Amino acid sequence: DTAVSQTPKYLVTQMGNDKSIKCEQNLGHDTMYWYKQDSKKFLKIMFSYNNKELIINETVPNRFSPKSPDKAHLNLHINSLELGDSAVYFCASSQEYEKLFFGSGTQLSVL
Amino acid sequence: GESVGLHLPTLSVQEGDNSIINCAYSNSASDYFIWYKQESGKGPQFIIDIRSNMDKRQGQRVTVLLNKTVKHLSLQIAATQPGDSAVYFCAENKGTSYGKLTFGQGTILTVHP
Repeated sequence: DTAVSQTPKYLVTQMGNDKSIKCEQNLGHDTMYWYKQDSKKFLKIMFSYNNKELIINETVPNRFSPKSPDKAHLNLHINSLELGDSAVYFCASSQEYEKLFFGSGTQLSVL
Repeated sequence: GESVGLHLPTLSVQEGDNSIINCAYSNSASDYFIWYKQESGKGPQFIIDIRSNMDKRQGQRVTVLLNKTVKHLSLQIAATQPGDSAVYFCAENKGTSYGKLTFGQGTILTVHP
């Protein structure tokens, strides 16, 4: 069974559209994250939720809105997509602040 | 400012050789370090971690060394195999921030048969 699963794996869309990425973890972890990886492979944290509560909110445009319906799920909704949003988005989970387990990523292409 | 960086962006080795990937960090408050491996089209995969109260930790074919004096971290892979070809990242955490890992640039390791 996949520990951290995110969908879709690929997302191609037009500028200005609204899209969502879903993430689920079956590890029983309390904390979930969204990371963004740019074209140079640089990984940067966007958000973190602990038991459905937002605890990390980096400098991210407010077009990005995370939602955690329960501690096993963390979704990412993006409004008014821009060209610069094109990247690979990774969901991850962890217990406390230790090693993160990452999903396989969602490659977002904004045309 | 806080940063984690890698000295070499690419590393090419022959199968069977030992590989060493280096990482420098600048935040002396960091107390937890992790190495990740990322294969093409996949998410980062945990390799090994080390806390700041240790200077060496060994896993299967991998060893992480931590030198707090010079703020340096390295990953040693013994008997490198073609399956080890990937991008390797070091990451640091201050421990009080829930998983707020700061990632380094990444090193591309290529293993030639």
